Amino acid sequence: ETGVTQTPRHLVMGMTNKKSLKCEQHLGHNAMYWYKQSAKKPLELMFVYSLEERVENNSVPSRFSPECPNSSHLFLHLHTLQPEDSALYLCASSQGVNRHDGVLFFGSGTQLSVL
Amino acid sequence: KNQVEQSPQSLIILEGKNCTLQCNYTVSPFSNLRWYKQDTGRGPVSLTIMTFSENTKSNGRYTATLDADTKQSSLHITASQLSDSASYICVVRGNNAGNMLTFGGGTRLMVKP
Repeated sequence: ETGVTQTPRHLVMGMTNKKSLKCEQHLGHNAMYWYKQSAKKPLELMFVYSLEERVENNSVPSRFSPECPNSSHLFLHLHTLQPEDSALYLCASSQGVNRHDGVLFFGSGTQLSVL
Repeated sequence: KNQVEQSPQSLIILEGKNCTLQCNYTVSPFSNLRWYKQDTGRGPVSLTIMTFSENTKSNGRYTATLDADTKQSSLHITASQLSDSASYICVVRGNNAGNMLTFGGGTRLMVKP
């Protein structure tokens, strides 16, 4: 295991539902990330948190709302999603944001299907 | 615009055979390049990192090369095993404000018995 745990592993939701993705890291890192992985496309960075403060928001629609209550936990709140939001959502952590030698530790992801 | 292109998009080889995956990038200025392996149903895991001054680095049966002049990297897998079946993602870090990462689309490798 990588030390980054994501729940749930799979999620099916309707466009009117509200759900949350959860991520927890046990590595003592101070930066956490949300990435979106769609079929046959490179990983897309969504949000970055450093020391619980959001430092990056890559023009993500407001129907995605991140929350970082402490350096070990990260949430992604979802509401009124669209079918094109169906993808694998990956959480990652690292020691420091954008360090030259920084390596990302990823969770196993949440496979999201929006009907 | 910073880009990372990987080829082939997918590859099927027989167990025991060797293969080479390619990564071309336009990221400038360049800091480093990292190869990740992503098993089905899992997140990516780092295999190796290449910095500007490194040409070759091995990690078991995986050997990465870097040519910073032509902005190309390769990942060579020797004596492939069924467990090598995965997606391999090339990620390049720039050496500029924010030291941003640019991800390639990955190569999906299938090793058949």
